[in-house]
Amino acid sequence: KNQVEQSPQSLIILEGKNCTLQCNYTVSPFSNLRWYKQDTGRGPVSLTIMTFSENTKSNGRYTATLDADTKQSSLHITASQLSDSASYICVVSDRGSTLGRLYFGRGTQLTVWP
Amino acid sequence: EADIYQTPRYLVIGTGKKITLECSQTMGHDKMYWYQQDPGMELHLIHYSYGVNSTEKGDLSSESTVSRIRTEHFPLTLESARPSHTSQYLCASSESGQPNQPQHFGDGTRLSIL
Repeated sequence: KNQVEQSPQSLIILEGKNCTLQCNYTVSPFSNLRWYKQDTGRGPVSLTIMTFSENTKSNGRYTATLDADTKQSSLHITASQLSDSASYICVVSDRGSTLGRLYFGRGTQLTVWP
Repeated sequence: EADIYQTPRYLVIGTGKKITLECSQTMGHDKMYWYQQDPGMELHLIHYSYGVNSTEKGDLSSESTVSRIRTEHFPLTLESARPSHTSQYLCASSESGQPNQPQHFGDGTRLSIL
């Protein structure tokens, strides 16, 4: 069964600290993995995409990694800011259909305290 | 920022009413989607469209219907709302023809049926 599991479910950190969010997936055949940020009351916004051949990709203070062998990804946030408080959703796409079926994780709720 | 708009943002309405949730995008995207999202849970695809006059049901069974008469417009209708329809509804769109394109999300409609 194709699934996407995220951990932790929620996380509280102090402003300026770093954190790492985890995503494990069983989706096959794999096409790509994308991390979205969803602010409260808003729609998700894409942060970064990882394809099969990519191991690391950065977008400002966000760095995503992908290990396609173990089917794991992480999102590392450096020097956190209050505006980083949001839900971070891992989404995996398969290659098995024209639509490029998306499998969503339940997200990690990150809270950054001053 | 993606140019995709949903109205209303919030709707509280009584059981049995007919409601239409609006979604419009100005990016000329062929593909459009409707998702249902409950607190702490993953997004579930309920409808999608490849283009004008194309509509398909998603993975999650829904009593709602959709139409796609114009490229930019993808409304969702509930003929007779019930409390079980209470949820957040997110609309999204994406380009076709290019691989690995992100879905751009609207800010959602939070629907409460009394």
